Amino acid sequence: GAVVSQHPSWVICKSGTSVKIECRSLDFQATTMFWYRQFPKQSLMLMATSNEGSKATYEQGVEKDKFLINHASLTLSTLTVTSAHPEDSSFYICSASAPGGFNQPQHFGDGTRLSIL
Amino acid sequence: AQTVTQSQPEMSVQEAETVTLSCTYDTSESDYYLFWYKQPPSRQMILVIRQEAYKQQNATENRFSVNFQKAAKSFSLKISDSQLGDAAMYFCAYRTTGANSKLTFGKGITLSVRP
Repeated sequence: GAVVSQHPSWVICKSGTSVKIECRSLDFQATTMFWYRQFPKQSLMLMATSNEGSKATYEQGVEKDKFLINHASLTLSTLTVTSAHPEDSSFYICSASAPGGFNQPQHFGDGTRLSIL
Repeated sequence: AQTVTQSQPEMSVQEAETVTLSCTYDTSESDYYLFWYKQPPSRQMILVIRQEAYKQQNATENRFSVNFQKAAKSFSLKISDSQLGDAAMYFCAYRTTGANSKLTFGKGITLSVRP
């Protein structure tokens, strides 16, 4: 089945640093990937839609300069949290649509727990 | 805009019993997809079941089945013979047709299973 790999699974860093999270589709090509943010005991909030070879589409209220998205190939999208601060601490999840038509579900990575000290 | 509502934040079920999780949605589309995802403490998102809106027959996956009422815009999940491993957060989700359409999630419900 379709597998999405996300790395790292957990990162702790100092305030002010930038953190890059990778999302890879391991056995299929994904022209579109999605980035979500999730706070404890809450739902997934879509941050942006990542499109291969073009600019990402951000949801309302999400800072483009804060959360940089790059989708340089059909199997890799990256999310960079720039100048991270403690309020950016959260669980970030990516997903990609499996190939085979629009009736295919999205497959999720295992998520990245980001802690900013 | 589409919305998905899960009004019950928590539910509890006795092991081996049956439980139903509620979900309603709002849309003006006639064709779409509905999903239930499970998120255990590991926080991995696991697809439980999906339903195509154009299909009248309710989807079933082993112990999991749905009651899809299109006119009422209701999509409940029934878990039969509940097991301890079913304890998790469950999210109802809606998706329009189109290869790159996005998922809209409900707030989720935390299900606990009593041994």
